[in-house]
Amino acid sequence: GAVVSQHPSWVICKSGTSVKIECRSLDFQATTMFWYRQFPKQSLMLMATSNEGSKATYEQGVEKDKFLINHASLTLSTLTVTSAHPEDSSFYICSAKRGGEQYFGPGTRLTVT
Amino acid sequence: RKEVEQDPGPFNVPEGATVAFNCTYSNSASQSFFWYRQDCRKEPKLLMSVYSSGNEDGRFTAQLNRASQYISLLIRDSKLSDSATYLCAADRGNKLVFGAGTILRVKS
Repeated sequence: GAVVSQHPSWVICKSGTSVKIECRSLDFQATTMFWYRQFPKQSLMLMATSNEGSKATYEQGVEKDKFLINHASLTLSTLTVTSAHPEDSSFYICSAKRGGEQYFGPGTRLTVT
Repeated sequence: RKEVEQDPGPFNVPEGATVAFNCTYSNSASQSFFWYRQDCRKEPKLLMSVYSSGNEDGRFTAQLNRASQYISLLIRDSKLSDSATYLCAADRGNKLVFGAGTILRVKS
């Protein structure tokens, strides 16, 4: 299968700081990547679709000014959680589309204290 | 009603058993369906893609019933290592919509 990496794998930050998460497709180019969030014992919730060279498309209820997405190249998308608060603590997972299938990165566990 | 629904389980089965999960979807325009496996605190890993009536890979068989709008996953000869949460997903245009997952616990 395809390989997607994410960095960092976990991060603890103080309330009010910003955190940047990187998602890379390692062995293929991805014009489209996706960012999900998963709270404990809940399903994956799509936050936004990241499009290379254009603005991301956000799902309803997701604040685009709080969750900044940049897809500057065909192998890299970044998600920045700005002014993080404890309620933003979650498991953030990216995925990249190759052909008709989506492959997930290993996820980033964010804890905001 | 959620767009993709699954029985959350848990399904507790002995090793060697055959177990089946169903997943219903409400968007009749969905064309592609997927089963993912997710271990605790890990990312989902693609298990099978289902584009037509079904797909088989070793002990795993997925079937699609468009008339009734559901997909199923059958696991034969369950192993302890099959214990995980199984997520089904249906495409909605360029995106995937996931069910909440079905927990499988295989016990010796």
